[in-house]
Amino acid sequence: NAGVMQNPRHLVRRRGQEARLRCSPVKGHSHVYWYRQLPEEGLKFMVYLQKENIIDESGMPKERFSAEFPKEGPSILRIQQVVRGDSAAYFCASSRNGQGGNEKLFFGSGTQLSVL
Amino acid sequence: GQNIDQPTEMTATEGAIVQINCTYQTSGFNGLFWYQQHAGEAPTFLSYNVLDGLEEKGRFSSFLSRSKGYSYLLLKELQMKDSASYLCAVEAGSYQLTFGKGTKLSVIP
Repeated sequence: NAGVMQNPRHLVRRRGQEARLRCSPVKGHSHVYWYRQLPEEGLKFMVYLQKENIIDESGMPKERFSAEFPKEGPSILRIQQVVRGDSAAYFCASSRNGQGGNEKLFFGSGTQLSVL
Repeated sequence: GQNIDQPTEMTATEGAIVQINCTYQTSGFNGLFWYQQHAGEAPTFLSYNVLDGLEEKGRFSSFLSRSKGYSYLLLKELQMKDSASYLCAVEAGSYQLTFGKGTKLSVIP
């Protein structure tokens, strides 16, 4: 059983470029969550998606950030015009059912984004 | 708002017992998770508590007191491979987990 697959593991971008982070959930999971982790900080919720729907994006910055989870293919977190403050580890997690009541999350190994 | 506190770092000896505390103040409470995260790796699920009391699972146990807003993770018979960060996370009435900053545990020989 493959777990949550994220790629790339490391991504280096210059200021102003775009970053695309990919996440393939556990097979059979239709719920995907993105979290961001800054050094010495806890994981911060960004967005929760089901297939083709954004359920909750309250943790995502209003500008430059977007996420999608198409009917076919991986979930994508897209950051446009990256700035140095976007440098962080971005973790994707999936669950079979929606969050709530012992629905544990399965996490990927993360993408470390470095903005030069 | 949500606030979760846990110690930043702890050190314990191989074979010993260590208790990692977590206190929380949240608006709403569904349950509390503990995750383990080795450096550069994915967080992995350890336990979930929704009712008061102790849940035991092998060498790891987790305790919850809802009235006190308090939980702890107890690790027995420590092994070197237990060196990792331990993340306390509260599920509070929405889809999102709120994580503490994590406790970095170092197990020494």
